[in-house]
Amino acid sequence: QKEVEQDPGPLSVPEGAIVSLNCTYSNSAFQYFMWYRQYSRKGPELLMYTYSSGNKEDGRFTAQVDKSSKYISLFIRDSQPSDSATYLCAMSRIQGAQKLVFGQGTRLTINP
Amino acid sequence: EADIYQTPRYLVIGTGKKITLECSQTMGHDKMYWYQQDPGMELHLIHYSYGVNSTEKGDLSSESTVSRIRTEHFPLTLESARPSHTSQYLCASSDSGPGAKNIQYFGAGTRLSVL
Repeated sequence: QKEVEQDPGPLSVPEGAIVSLNCTYSNSAFQYFMWYRQYSRKGPELLMYTYSSGNKEDGRFTAQVDKSSKYISLFIRDSQPSDSATYLCAMSRIQGAQKLVFGQGTRLTINP
Repeated sequence: EADIYQTPRYLVIGTGKKITLECSQTMGHDKMYWYQQDPGMELHLIHYSYGVNSTEKGDLSSESTVSRIRTEHFPLTLESARPSHTSQYLCASSDSGPGAKNIQYFGAGTRLSVL
């Protein structure tokens, strides 16, 4: 079983829709949670960062962490065609090597 | 925007050739990483370094080698390229000082094709 599970999609929604992307994980030691956005043929870029549980909002993006359920989410409001990309969740422990563990990534397309 | 650079961006090479993928960062980060990513698949860590003269193998076995002689430079070498090495290679770095958030910043990647 993978430490981090993410539905690879693809997910296709109309412009303006609210998008919900999710990851589940099995390691309760994870404390840092991140969402990266990766455009085609580019490297991942950090989109959201959350430490421990709670919500974080940045413009049209909201990240949620529910440690009791081992579940994290990224919400995109008023989605735009420019949001079309692959979204990867990533997480790491607070102690030890602190290597990031990535989900497989969800490929998202926003249709005009 | 992250100041981490990878060259070349694209490389097509014949079997048996020796190649070096370059990665440099100007952020003064101690930690650097190499990932391999196939299309539609997750990132797999193949090498990492926590500082000069420190290198470790990652979670995915790789025939490549790395070196860390300078803080800002973390090249990856394949002594004899094979078609099975065809993939995208991503370099990343992160800070390790007090208060560091373990955020990794990525380069644009090198897309390698071995014929």
